[in-house]
Amino acid sequence: AQRVTQPEKLLSVFKGAPVELKCNYSYSGSPELFWYVQYSRQRLQLLLRHISRESIKGFTADLNKGETSFHLKKPFAQEEDSAMYYCALRTSGTYKYIFGTGTRLKVLA
Amino acid sequence: GAGVSQSPRYKVAKRGQDVALRCDPISGHVSLFWYQQALGQGPEFLTYFQNEAQLDKSGLPSDRFFAERPEGSVSTLKIQRTQQEDSAVYLCASSLTDGRNTEAFFGQGTRLTVV
Repeated sequence: AQRVTQPEKLLSVFKGAPVELKCNYSYSGSPELFWYVQYSRQRLQLLLRHISRESIKGFTADLNKGETSFHLKKPFAQEEDSAMYYCALRTSGTYKYIFGTGTRLKVLA
Repeated sequence: GAGVSQSPRYKVAKRGQDVALRCDPISGHVSLFWYQQALGQGPEFLTYFQNEAQLDKSGLPSDRFFAERPEGSVSTLKIQRTQQEDSAVYLCASSLTDGRNTEAFFGQGTRLTVV
């Protein structure tokens, strides 16, 4: 079965420190991986997708098929990065997005 | 507005009551999804529409849940005889197509509390 695992429910870091939010997936085919973010009192929104290989708000994520991981990284955390982050998997041939349970990132001043 | 709109934002229902949740997707978006998000959990897939066709309803938890999108735009999620375990945030999302790597745009959600 397809599954997304985010092992950390809460991650606290100090401002300026590096951040890594972990995401592992279970899927034998060719996956599409996404990171969605939810800031306080706002709707869920796309942060980045693996196909784009872009950096959004300083965040990057590399798909590692060997380790079935798609960890989200940022070298220097900012207070405005505090939010809930969800990793999502979309399998080929289907339409639904499968979400992890989310990691709450708190960036401390 | 330009985004996905859901109404009502909050709904309190007595156990056994029927509820209807509305989703207005972004104009022109072909795909529409409903998700259920319980407290402390990620969104769980309920159902998917491509225009007016419901192509996947594998996530609907019971036959008390019913969704429709009769004209390929607005969608309604109906829950009959609500139970306490139905308490959750119900999210609607739409995307322009169902192609690979397409972004899904989410609404603010409807928080349903069954008392």
